[in-house]
Amino acid sequence: NAGVTQTPKFRVLKTGQSMTLLCAQDMNHEYMYWYRQDPGMGLRLIHYSVGEGTTAKGEVPDGYNVSRLKKQNFLLGLESAAPSQTSVYFCASTSRGGKGYTFGSGTRLTVV
Amino acid sequence: GQQLNQSPQSMFIQEGEDVSMNCTSSSIFNTWLWYKQDPGEGPVLLIALYKAGELTSNGRLTAQFGITRKDSFLNISASIPSDVGIYFCAGLNYGGSQGNLIFGKGTKLSVKP
Repeated sequence: NAGVTQTPKFRVLKTGQSMTLLCAQDMNHEYMYWYRQDPGMGLRLIHYSVGEGTTAKGEVPDGYNVSRLKKQNFLLGLESAAPSQTSVYFCASTSRGGKGYTFGSGTRLTVV
Repeated sequence: GQQLNQSPQSMFIQEGEDVSMNCTSSSIFNTWLWYKQDPGEGPVLLIALYKAGELTSNGRLTAQFGITRKDSFLNISASIPSDVGIYFCAGLNYGGSQGNLIFGKGTKLSVKP
């Protein structure tokens, strides 16, 4: 089925470890986004991309890096994980002028 | 930055009752979106609104884009147990190269069977 796929679905990291979350979409969407969701905070934008090879900072970018080497993939990296990065991470995509985003099912990350 | 105030934060209702929730903003948006999120899943789009004053329905759901472009509401009629979940409003501006969603903090809906 067409949509947004996130891997992995769950991960536990130790403080200081690094990891990469992968988001893949097969809808040929130009725009892709990474959000984090914390209790009582709603979804907050980490980084986004308006096209292959471009990235930009969102509301809460510190501690994260992203890359968009291919149009269909958007990677979110944590270089040195901290407990404050324990959260559920959602990827989303939309077409230029699109009428609503499509979200992945999320990655639950715990940093101990 | 832009912020959305969504209310109520949570509500318990009797099955069959109507539900109303709303979002307000200090700044205007070109588009208002309403999402529902079930446990362990990502948000799913329910209704999208593109013009001030627009009133749109999707089954038992009705949403309106406020005239001032700074608010929106969502109504659910005759609620059923599967309406349980968290509902998010989101505002969107496609100005410049950004085009990212600003989310409210959600309304958690619980239905008493």
